[in-house]
Amino acid sequence: QSVLTQPPSVSAAPGQKVTISCSGSSSNIESNYIFWYQQLPGTAPKPLIENNDKRSSGIPDRFSGSKSGTSATLAITGLQTGDEADYFCGTWDNSLSAWVFGGGTKLTVL
Amino acid sequence: QVTLRESGPALVKPTQTLTLTCTFSGLSLSTSAIFVSWIRQSPGKGLEWLARIDWDDDKYYSTSLKTRLTISKDTSKNQVVLTMTNMDPVDTATYYCARQGYSSGPFDHWGQGTLVMVSS
Repeated sequence: QSVLTQPPSVSAAPGQKVTISCSGSSSNIESNYIFWYQQLPGTAPKPLIENNDKRSSGIPDRFSGSKSGTSATLAITGLQTGDEADYFCGTWDNSLSAWVFGGGTKLTVL
Repeated sequence: QVTLRESGPALVKPTQTLTLTCTFSGLSLSTSAIFVSWIRQSPGKGLEWLARIDWDDDKYYSTSLKTRLTISKDTSKNQVVLTMTNMDPVDTATYYCARQGYSSGPFDHWGQGTLVMVSS
């Protein structure tokens, strides 16, 4: 099982907003920056959000990140069919001395 | 432009040793302060970090796989190599190499991944 917990799937209609949660603990999310990655079908992950809430290079402002305590949230507004992908959260875990990830959330744009 | 490319066998037998190579272009392992990890993804599953080697040759391993992993670099070839011993069918996955621009930063460049199947 993944160290960080994400919902397996979320869905929303085009133009709507969706949020994806990522839950961890004091040794990972609470103590370190959280990162979000987007994995389009058949491709490698690419960075979306770094350092909790900073958009990576080239990422539109429809994507935003936040963190509170042991949880983090990725929000996507103005959903487009091209946003259909798997989304992963990741961070460093002080207890494991390892980078850890969530199990991924599959976004479906209905 | 920084690119990473993984290479290695597509099929290994149980108990064999897997050797994967990550070849860089667009930056030099000998002159850049970079941090290179191997990350794998089992079919339909999440991401699992395996190991990292830093520009100064510091190395870090997943606690659960530490006894089976060795990471190294060849700066003359601009390559990072991962070996994993005693392969098992549960190790079937796509293996990615990924770069961090600084120690605590995001994995900002990834290879395309290489699928390794473990089967007799």
